[in-house]
Amino acid sequence: QKEVEQDPGPLSVPEGAIVSLNCTYSNSAFQYFMWYRQYSRKGPELLMYTYSSGNKEDGRFTAQVDKSSKYISLFIRDSQPSDSATYLCAPLTGGAQKLVFGQGTRLTINP
Amino acid sequence: DAGVIQSPRHEVTEMGQEVTLRCKPISGHNSLFWYRQTMMRGLELLIYFNNNVPIDDSGMPEDRFSAKMPNASFSTLKIQPSEPRDSAVYFCASSPQGRPQHFGDGTRLSIL
Repeated sequence: QKEVEQDPGPLSVPEGAIVSLNCTYSNSAFQYFMWYRQYSRKGPELLMYTYSSGNKEDGRFTAQVDKSSKYISLFIRDSQPSDSATYLCAPLTGGAQKLVFGQGTRLTINP
Repeated sequence: DAGVIQSPRHEVTEMGQEVTLRCKPISGHNSLFWYRQTMMRGLELLIYFNNNVPIDDSGMPEDRFSAKMPNASFSTLKIQPSEPRDSAVYFCASSPQGRPQHFGDGTRLSIL
């Protein structure tokens, strides 16, 4: 079993829709939960991160962590064509530096 | 601010040749990471350095791969000899220790 599982998609939704991207993980020691966005032929860029369980909001993006079920979510409200990218979840244990990336979900927002 | 700079952006070479990938981290970042990304395996950490010292190279696939960081502003990843299965996009990332990583735009490597 992989440490981090993420549905690779592809996921295609119309502009303006609410998008839900999800990961599950197996290591209960993970404490930090990163979301990276990767545009085609570019490197991943950090979108947002959360510590432990709970929600964090940043503009149209909300990250949610449920440590009891080992489930990570990223919600995008009012999705835009510019949100079309691959989204990677990457949890991290406290004090560690080794990110473990999910496979990434390829998202397309159709105008 | 200049981000992480990688060179070359693209490399095509024949099997058996030596390949050297280069990375300049963001100034002031003391941690540097090398990753490999393929469709099959996703993004995998190969090795990382803190303060120019290799900390964990458990992700380096085999002895054909080596990485160095001679100073705080430069690192190389070398493959010798190269094989077709080494074809991938190689990313370098840097960060202040314990902080989120910033990635370069990668080197797209094709071994024929």
